[in-house]
Amino acid sequence: IAGITQAPTSQILAAGRRMTLRCTQDMRHNAMYWYRQDLGLGLRLIHYSNTAGTTGKGEVPDGYSVSRANTDDFPLTLASAVPSQTSVYFCASSPHRQGYNEQFFGPGTRLTVL
Amino acid sequence: QQQVKQSPQSLIVQKGGISIINCAYENTAFDYFPWYQQFPGKGPALLIAIRPDVSEKKEGRFTISFNKSAKQFSLHIMDSQPGDSASYFCAASIYNQGGKLIFGQGTELSVKP
Repeated sequence: IAGITQAPTSQILAAGRRMTLRCTQDMRHNAMYWYRQDLGLGLRLIHYSNTAGTTGKGEVPDGYSVSRANTDDFPLTLASAVPSQTSVYFCASSPHRQGYNEQFFGPGTRLTVL
Repeated sequence: QQQVKQSPQSLIVQKGGISIINCAYENTAFDYFPWYQQFPGKGPALLIAIRPDVSEKKEGRFTISFNKSAKQFSLHIMDSQPGDSASYFCAASIYNQGGKLIFGQGTELSVKP
């Protein structure tokens, strides 16, 4: 593994179903982020984690939850998916908790909720 | 409320021309302004970034111009090439807020040969 991996690559999901998007990084970065990308809206931060064991809410957290049990993994869970959660989801990481840090992005997960 | 507004939404430029993408922000606490480049099917990648203590930063064919008083910054791509065709996103963040980025809406650039 080199960088950030996300799984699955794409998924079609029935509304009301539970879904977990997986994200793993091998760079030992402290901070990790989840974004959703929608046409015309850019990338919007869902949740973030400055270090293992801590999480925080971003711009659009409703309907999503995260956990950070260790440094490498940062899963995003949709407890009961709705069609408005159809989007491309990107996980990212950066070396430090604060400051001017480059964020490294994964390849994304395309999620369709029907 | 869009804290970072980006324009245009799409841009077509001839090979060798100059591509210009503009962003404006509201929050004067922002103190870091990166630009990300994204190719189809890929995640965004950092292209160039600027802090407000300088008015311009250049890296190769890519230049950021920053106007603190107007709360605006722009990306200039000189001698645009077909390989520059991608989506470009400006962003802003605040140093002591965990590195969280606020992104603009994005610009889809197409450079015609």
